[in-house]
Amino acid sequence: GIQVEQSPPDLILQEGANSTLRCNFSDSVNNLQWFHQNPWGQLINLFYIPSGTKQNGRLSATTVATERYSLLYISSSQTTDSGVYFCAVEPGGNNRLAFGKGNQVVVIP
Amino acid sequence: DGGITQSPKYLFRKEGQNVTLSCEQNLNHDAMYWYRQDPGQGLRLIYYSQIVNDFQKGDIAEGYSVSREKKESFPLTVTSAQKNPTAFYLCASSKGPGASYEQYFGPGTRLTVT
Repeated sequence: GIQVEQSPPDLILQEGANSTLRCNFSDSVNNLQWFHQNPWGQLINLFYIPSGTKQNGRLSATTVATERYSLLYISSSQTTDSGVYFCAVEPGGNNRLAFGKGNQVVVIP
Repeated sequence: DGGITQSPKYLFRKEGQNVTLSCEQNLNHDAMYWYRQDPGQGLRLIYYSQIVNDFQKGDIAEGYSVSREKKESFPLTVTSAQKNPTAFYLCASSKGPGASYEQYFGPGTRLTVT
């Protein structure tokens, strides 16, 4: 099946710093989503971005489908940005998402 | 409010017992999904359903069963055949089927089997 690799696996940030999370995938995809999992386990939808660039406040994402990667940018990080960020892709048009192992982000004041 | 509800939030069972996790959505979505998450891992697909009265196995279906009798409900039964049932279980839904749609998740159920 499709492989989804996220890097870096762990990241510690000083509040106010910027960061970039990367998601590489091994095959072409119809769907790519970024999620933030909060400390209670809830998965929050950040972006639905099979291609192109989107921005939402301090977060933005870019997917280059032809090169099989996506980037999530966090600017001016806040402690509430802490948690795990997951990239998930759907390769076949069957609505089955394959998840990466996540980026664990800790923002310290 | 539209959304996905899962109950209970925490569930404790003795080994050898079957247990059913509830998932309900009022988003009028056709497709529903069950995922399992183990500590430090991503989510893995257990079962999914694209329409009422139809469902397919995901990547780790052994030891689990589902039903889809109503559009808004997709309960998951963890049977005694599941060797390592302790995990965090997440339900999701999307507009589906037939195209790629954004998936939305419920708050999850933490199951502990001793």
